[in-house]
Amino acid sequence: DQQVKQNSPSLSVQEGRISILNCDYTNSMFDYFLWYKKYPAEGPTFLISISSIKDKNEDGRFTVFLNKSAKHLSLHIVPSQPGDSAVYFCAASVDFGNEKLTFGTGTRLTIIP
Amino acid sequence: DAGVTQSPTHLIKTRGQQVTLRCSPKSGHDTVSWYQQALGQGPQFIFQYYEEEERQRGNFPDRFSGHQFPNYSSELNVNALLLGDSALYLCASSLSGPDNEQFFGPGTRLTVL
Repeated sequence: DQQVKQNSPSLSVQEGRISILNCDYTNSMFDYFLWYKKYPAEGPTFLISISSIKDKNEDGRFTVFLNKSAKHLSLHIVPSQPGDSAVYFCAASVDFGNEKLTFGTGTRLTIIP
Repeated sequence: DAGVTQSPTHLIKTRGQQVTLRCSPKSGHDTVSWYQQALGQGPQFIFQYYEEEERQRGNFPDRFSGHQFPNYSSELNVNALLLGDSALYLCASSLSGPDNEQFFGPGTRLTVL
């Protein structure tokens, strides 16, 4: 039972344009959502998070949007840079801080120079 | 300040054998979580250790066991290895309490032949 889904295995975006990565979840108990970025041979690196009491959170070029009624979140990267090429994982937990994370299957983002 | 470290980097075992993977948390962290990432999948939560006790456990059989030492480092043990245990095993550390992010190590790549 895949509780967190990333339906796009890959995405290619021109440098300087907007990258939009999508994530859907099924468990209504999830209260906190995170995006991780993973380069080959490295562990996932935390990127940005959002609590269910918010619908938007921004950090520099990265913005996460949460639509609780649709059980959907998205990560926007503007402008996209070559260094953004990586696998992006959406993750969810019932709380933030030491609770287990449930991950999606990841989206491989390629930024085309 | 060293981040999360894991050893070994790679490991090859045969079916039926036993394996031990090791993790040293980020300095100051007291909680360690283990995840299994199969090829093409997102990380799946195995268990979490805090104060040398297993605090949470995911949907993994008893062949998977762990330990946390007084210095907060941790081991993951897998008995009676199956081909399906081949995966990247990720360790994440965090500081107990709310609003504390999990930091991931680079992982141990286990291949079972």
